[in-house]
Amino acid sequence: EDQVTQSPEALRLQEGESSSLNCSYTVSGLRGLFWYRQDPGKGPEFLFTLYSAGEEKEKERLKATLTKKESFLHITAPKPEDSATYLCAASGGYQKVTFGTGTKLQVIP
Amino acid sequence: NAGVTQTPKFQVLKTGQSMTLQCAQDMNHNSMYWYRQDPGMGLRLIYYSASEGTTDKGEVPNGYNVSRLNKREFSLRLESAAPSQTSVYFCASSENPSGIYEQYFGPGTRLTVT
Repeated sequence: EDQVTQSPEALRLQEGESSSLNCSYTVSGLRGLFWYRQDPGKGPEFLFTLYSAGEEKEKERLKATLTKKESFLHITAPKPEDSATYLCAASGGYQKVTFGTGTKLQVIP
Repeated sequence: NAGVTQTPKFQVLKTGQSMTLQCAQDMNHNSMYWYRQDPGMGLRLIYYSASEGTTDKGEVPNGYNVSRLNKREFSLRLESAAPSQTSVYFCASSENPSGIYEQYFGPGTRLTVT
């Protein structure tokens, strides 16, 4: 059975304090690894797709990386507006996308 | 482009009542999905439609039915609501269900069944 585990469940950072969120996955034949951002009361917003180990993608203060067992979302010098829940999802093939439960990030000014 | 839209945003039902959640996308995507999100459980797939004219069960389909009305619209129906169906429901769309394309989500419907 495919599994996606995110850690930590919650993370509190001071503004400017860089850190990483972890997404461990057990999926046979990974087709894609997705990161989403979800603000309170809203739907998930797509951030990145990674397809193969070693791949990296960046957007502003966020950088996503992928290994054969994990993905990391690195947040550099975060700002309060980066506060949100970050979801990871792994696809094992046709209509086999498994979501993690998310990491709730709070950035304190 | 509006992306994915959902109606209503909030709904309160009594046990046994029925209702339909509406979803539409303007991205010309082939595939559409209905998820529910509950605390501590992540997003779980209820039903999906790989393309216009087809629908298939997901992980938690019991108590729900769906209709792919056309390429743009995908509705979710609760025939006889139960308190266990209290949740936040999200509609999503993607290019196709191959697993290599990201999904785009609507704003959600918050449903309470009393």
